[in-house]
Order: sequence, then structure tokens, then C-alpha cells
Amino acid sequence: AQSVTQLDSHVSVSEGTPVLLRCNYSSSYSPSLFWYVQHPNKGLQLLLKYTSAATLVKGINGFEAEFKKSETSFHLTKPSAHMSDAAEYFCVVTGGPGNQFYFGTGTSLTVIP
Amino acid sequence: EAGVTQFPSHSVIEKGQTVTLRCDPISGHDNLYWYRRVMGKEIKFLLHFVKESKQDESGMPNNRFLAERTGGTYSTLKVQPAELEDSGVYFCASSQDLPGANSPLHFGNGTRLTVT
Repeated sequence: AQSVTQLDSHVSVSEGTPVLLRCNYSSSYSPSLFWYVQHPNKGLQLLLKYTSAATLVKGINGFEAEFKKSETSFHLTKPSAHMSDAAEYFCVVTGGPGNQFYFGTGTSLTVIP
Repeated sequence: EAGVTQFPSHSVIEKGQTVTLRCDPISGHDNLYWYRRVMGKEIKFLLHFVKESKQDESGMPNNRFLAERTGGTYSTLKVQPAELEDSGVYFCASSQDLPGANSPLHFGNGTRLTVT
């Protein structure tokens, strides 16, 4: 069975400060992991993906995520938040037959000027 | 390239009525998926087409939901008759190959369905 837990439903940070969005996963297979972002009235956009090639993954807009197998975590980070980062973020795990995508419940990020 | 497009963007209907959602995937993408997000919950899989064939419809809630993909291009998702609990955002996604790290899912903007 596969599942994703996003530990925070809402995160608020000040502009220019670091961002940490937490994600823990459960998978019976060697997982692929993704972070997607959804801005208001937009579709989900792929931020970054983990494919087992490297545990530290760099994505678009300065975001990074580190795969930690021992902790079953795939937390998303960014050194300095921008106003344009305000959005909802989804952690996704996939793998196994059919490669079905399993989403977390999402984390809403607010950036305070 | 044009992205995944969904129509309508919003739909408000009364309980018992019928609604049809449409999805146009990225051209050439054989894999088409429907997902749904009920308010405050996770995005859940509904079904998966490969070309015109239903590969997996294990996520369809009940027989009030009917999805089609005639000709393997665009897809429709019909809800008939709609119930209050059907309210949510319906996302369509497509991928060229079976989705994974080398073939990520591309999502549409979603259709927000409100059943009153």
C-alpha cells in the first residue's frame, strides 16, 4: 500500500525567510516521489521529482527536496520565500503496478510581506 | 505545446441534475486520468484511460459516474444524477507514457463542481 502524509495543512512564512513543507510517505515499492504546486485557479504544476538517482533533488523556482529513506520523508525546502510562492503544495508518491499517483492532502503556503 | 484543457471551469447544478465535464489532453498523450478533490481532502484517483480503453476505473465512486474517451482523444466525465457529495474539483491529467519519474503527469486547471 502507498500513502502520503503532509504534516502541515497551513504554513506561513515571512518573505525572505526559509520555507519547509513536510511530507512523509509509505510505500511497498521503490517509490518515485513528486512535489506539485497549485496557484489559485491554475492546474497542478510539477516542481520536482525523485527518481532514485540522487537523494537531493533540485526543482524549479529555487525549491529543493531531500529523499530520506530511513525517515520515509521527502520534505520540500527553499532558502528564501518570495511572494509568488504563495500557493498550495502537494506531495505525491507513485510506484508499483499501474504507477498510480497518491496525493497528500496539500499544504497551503502563505508568504507575509 | 498546448496544455491539458478542461471545460467548464466552474459548474453549479442542483441535486438530481446531470453534468458533463470535458478534458482535452495534450496531443499525443495516450494516458488520460481523472482525479477529484473533495473540499479539504486529498486528490483522489478516479480512473485511467489508455487511448480509448479504460485501464483502471477502481476509483470511480459509483455507477452515477460515467467516463468515456471515444477515439482516444478528448474525454468526458458525466455525473447523473448529481448528489451533494459529488461537489469538488475534478482534475484531468495526461502523460505520454505510463506516468512516473520520466513521464510526469500534466494537469489541467480543474473543473469546480458545486451541487446544491
